[in-house]
Amino acid sequence: DVKVTQSSRYLVKRTGEKVFLECVQDMDHENMFWYRQDPGLGLRLIYFSYDVKMKEKGDIPEGYSVSREKKERFSLILESASTNQTSMYLCASSLLQGAANQPQHFGDGTRLSIL
Amino acid sequence: QQQVKQSPQSLIVQKGGISIINCAYENTAFDYFPWYQQFPGKGPALLIAIRPDVSEKKEGRFTISFNKSAKQFSLHIMDSQPGDSATYFCAAEGVNSGYSTLTFGKGTMLLVSP
Repeated sequence: DVKVTQSSRYLVKRTGEKVFLECVQDMDHENMFWYRQDPGLGLRLIYFSYDVKMKEKGDIPEGYSVSREKKERFSLILESASTNQTSMYLCASSLLQGAANQPQHFGDGTRLSIL
Repeated sequence: QQQVKQSPQSLIVQKGGISIINCAYENTAFDYFPWYQQFPGKGPALLIAIRPDVSEKKEGRFTISFNKSAKQFSLHIMDSQPGDSATYFCAAEGVNSGYSTLTFGKGTMLLVSP
């Protein structure tokens, strides 16, 4: 069965800290995605990656960066955390590089609070 | 600019009733329209999807109706059950930097009362 694992369910950090959110998939998927989910705003794409060491900006990349050193792992980095980055972060993956009409498989999310 | 508009924001339906969630899009280049279902504490999961070359797709109690000319699509849940209580997101697939990505609606929180 498809499995996307996010390393932390809950995380509390302080403003200005550098924060790493980790995501691992065990399905040999090519594509990986990071979204944030906020009440009333739905899911918004932050960054995505279609191959190792490759990354593309989504709709709201400001204040974030990503790293994909291995195919199965995709990290989201908050360079200097701010309170407006308090949110639920969701990682997803899909099978074929850049291909259309593929289901995305989501992790269960990391609820991040920035104090 | 919101590219996929979803309504209503929340919905209460009695057990056995029909739940209807509507979405509208602006970008005519969108070519794939999935619906995702999310239970509390879980990530979204694909429920059902449609391509614009068909007007309807049915899977069990779930049906997508698609109106290409109006740029609208909707999810119908027949014989709604308490276990259907969840948040539903419509989405539309387009091209971002040459790769397919999803744009999601804001979500509808469905509560099916026993």
